Amino acid sequence: DSGVTQTPKHLITATGQRVTLRCSPRSGDLSVYWYQQSLDQGLQFLIQYYNGEERAKGNILERFSAQQFPDLHSELNLSSLELGDSALYFCASSVDAGTDTEAFFGQGTRLTVV
Amino acid sequence: QQPVQSPQAVILREGEDAVINCSSSKALYSVHWYRQKHGEAPVFLMILLKGGEQKGHEKISASFNEKKQQSSLYLTASQLSYSGTYFCGTARYSSASKIIFGSGTRLSIRP
Repeated sequence: DSGVTQTPKHLITATGQRVTLRCSPRSGDLSVYWYQQSLDQGLQFLIQYYNGEERAKGNILERFSAQQFPDLHSELNLSSLELGDSALYFCASSVDAGTDTEAFFGQGTRLTVV
Repeated sequence: QQPVQSPQAVILREGEDAVINCSSSKALYSVHWYRQKHGEAPVFLMILLKGGEQKGHEKISASFNEKKQQSSLYLTASQLSYSGTYFCGTARYSSASKIIFGSGTRLSIRP
């Protein structure tokens, strides 16, 4: 158990809908990362937050947005969902925003868009 | 900008050795290695930093050639538990920098 909690574990929704994925980082970690992993593919970086502020941004679609709240949990909002958005979404956390620190991954949320 | 991993897949017998490579076209600050078993979350193995510092698993060894922007992960005397997909992630700067992962190397260990 990495200490990073993601909910829900599974989500099935229809095209055009909006969903929210939630991530609670490890206790004491200030940085949260979001990654998308399509079937048997690599980890695509979406966005990073540190202590409530956006720190780095990847190729995140405009239909996607994220935020980190004062209690440090983070939410990833996906709207106008398309079939191609079906994927495993991972959240990871680390103690700070540096890239010399290991990240701990949650178990992921598997999103299926039908 | 995505690092290139090689090989894409490798099959070993238990006890054999393997090397997984990761290369970037950009100057790097850090290289991260993770292992992911099917259906599970990636698990941290090692970080290699510009300047030679390493942080990570005692039983895993890796190298980082700063001049070539290449890293290699060495798996010796492989065990069945080493099976999985290995990802390298690279970051260009020490902070506020994306960690971009390669497409992975699938390692299968046979008894």
